[in-house]
Amino acid sequence: GAVVSQHPSRVICKSGTSVKIECRSLDFQATTMFWYRQFPKQSLMLMATSNEGSKATYEQGVEKDKFLINHASLTLSTLTVTSAHPEDSSFYICSASSPGNGGTEAFFGQGTRLTVV
Amino acid sequence: GENVEQHPSTLSVQEGDSAVIKCTYSDSASNYFPWYKQELGKRPQLIIDIRSNVGEKKDQRIAVTLNKTAKHFSLHITETQPEDSAVYFCAALNRDDKIIFGKGTRLHILP
Repeated sequence: GAVVSQHPSRVICKSGTSVKIECRSLDFQATTMFWYRQFPKQSLMLMATSNEGSKATYEQGVEKDKFLINHASLTLSTLTVTSAHPEDSSFYICSASSPGNGGTEAFFGQGTRLTVV
Repeated sequence: GENVEQHPSTLSVQEGDSAVIKCTYSDSASNYFPWYKQELGKRPQLIIDIRSNVGEKKDQRIAVTLNKTAKHFSLHITETQPEDSAVYFCAALNRDDKIIFGKGTRLHILP
């Protein structure tokens, strides 16, 4: 299947700082990528839809000024957690759909475990 | 919006027995239903999927059934093995082309 690479896999940052997470589609072009957040032992909650060349669309309850999404190219989307706080500590995962599979099968990045201290 | 309910939240089965996980969805426009397996700290992996134009799909020990009228779909794992222990998520593609996940089922295979 298609490959989606996410970086970094783990990051620890201090409260008040910002952290950028990258999501790359390595062997296909992804016009749309999705960002999920997962708390321990819970499901994946969709945060936002990242659209290449346009603004991201955020799910209800997700602060767009806190979770900045940029999708500058067909192979890269970034999520920046601004002014991070301990409650932002979580597992963040991106996904992208490969057009070769009818545009519906989602391939996930490895995930990023963010710890804010 | 789409709401996906998944049951049970935890399931323990004896090795060799079958496991069944059930999900319901609310958006009648949903037409694609993937199932994911997630091991601790790792990314979800697609294990099987089904589209709304079929009622059942099988891949070796794994099968999925879909009842469009009742808006529910199920995952069946036969002859369970220790490596089947993981968290399983059902999901549905809603009318906005977003994948919405169920809450997950933690499957334990008992020796």
